[in-house]
Amino acid sequence: GDSVTQMEGPVTLSEEAFLTINCTYTATGYPSLFWYVQYPGEGLQLLLKATKADDKGSNKGFEATYRKETTSFHLEKGSVQVSDSAVYFCALSASTNAGKSTFGDGTTLTVKP
Amino acid sequence: EAQVTQNPRYLITVTGKKLTVTCSQNMNHEYMSWYRQDPGLGLRQIYYSMNVEVTDKGDVPEGYKVSRKEKRNFPLILESPSPNQTSLYFCASSLSSRGGDLRETQYFGPGTRLLVL
Repeated sequence: GDSVTQMEGPVTLSEEAFLTINCTYTATGYPSLFWYVQYPGEGLQLLLKATKADDKGSNKGFEATYRKETTSFHLEKGSVQVSDSAVYFCALSASTNAGKSTFGDGTTLTVKP
Repeated sequence: EAQVTQNPRYLITVTGKKLTVTCSQNMNHEYMSWYRQDPGLGLRQIYYSMNVEVTDKGDVPEGYKVSRKEKRNFPLILESPSPNQTSLYFCASSLSSRGGDLRETQYFGPGTRLLVL
């Protein structure tokens, strides 16, 4: 079945550091890929998405590129802020199994001033 | 305001006592889904619904029931809760599932924290 593997956390960075959270996936067909963010005590909200190979999703300084050849969708940000502290989830929606949605385990990011 | 609402937000119950967690969205979304979030396991899909009267199992449907009688509501029913269903539950909705492919953003509710004693 489909699966998403995320870099294990927690990740602790200093403000203005570079962030990478790795995400790789296994899926048949051509899934859509998403990064969701969960701030403390809240539900998940979309951070960015990509629906086909080589698409780059971007939002709030975060970027991720859909790499079909390496089945990856790594999240990056050039300079993190304290306000970026949250849990980040990589997710896919499969093209061959309508309605199914698979999430990674989540990576907790803490940014220290 | 466009939103997904869940009730209750917190619930403590005992083993075997039937409960329902309600979910409602005001965005006229076709697709709705339930997830549970557990430490170290991320989000796992319980059930989803592509439209009214259409529901299907996710990855962890055992012990749960759902119904979709109207577009805006998608309640999650635990007929006989057990302690292993203690978890944080999220409802989500999405605009469409065009061509059988969920490409649209999912909008999540605030979560329901359930403790089964």
